Amino acid sequence: KNQVEQSPQSLIILEGKNCTLQCNYTVSPFSNLRWYKQDTGRGPVSLTIMTFSENTKSNGRYTATLDADTKQSSLHITASQLSDSASYICVVSVKTSYDKVIFGPGTSLSVIP
Amino acid sequence: GAGVSQSPRYKVAKRGQDVALRCDPISGHVSLFWYQQALGQGPEFLTYFQNEAQLDKSGLPSDRFFAERPEGSVSTLKIQRTQQEDSAVYLCASSFTNTEAFFGQGTRLTVV
Repeated sequence: KNQVEQSPQSLIILEGKNCTLQCNYTVSPFSNLRWYKQDTGRGPVSLTIMTFSENTKSNGRYTATLDADTKQSSLHITASQLSDSASYICVVSVKTSYDKVIFGPGTSLSVIP
Repeated sequence: GAGVSQSPRYKVAKRGQDVALRCDPISGHVSLFWYQQALGQGPEFLTYFQNEAQLDKSGLPSDRFFAERPEGSVSTLKIQRTQQEDSAVYLCASSFTNTEAFFGQGTRLTVV
């Protein structure tokens, strides 16, 4: 069964600290993996996208890694800001005729002053 | 418009009432997706359109759920005889074929 799991479920960190969020998936055939940020009451917004051959991708203070062999990904946030408080969702695409995606449950991140 | 637009933003329905949720995708986007997001959960796939063709409706939870995109642009998700378990945020996303999908802000449906 195609599935995406994330950990931790929730996380609280102090402003300025770093954190790492984890994603494990059992999706086949694999097409790509994306990390989305979803602010409360908003739709998800894409942060990074990685294909099978890419093992790291950065977007400002966000760095995503992908290990396609172990089917694991991580999202590292450096020098966290209050505005980073959101849900971070790992999304894996299945290689089909269209972009069928499987969403993880998300990690709720709270950055406190 | 510049992004995906959904309306209404909030909808309160009495149990048993029919509702219709609207999605205006980004102009020219071929693909359109509907997702259901329960509180504290990630979105779950409902259905997919390529232009006006509904190519995948495997995620629709019951025959009370119906989606259409008659002219390949605006889409409507209809829920008949709403029940409390239908309460969720309904997200719409659009994209060119097999490229990044852009999401709307969602419609929060509360069935009382």
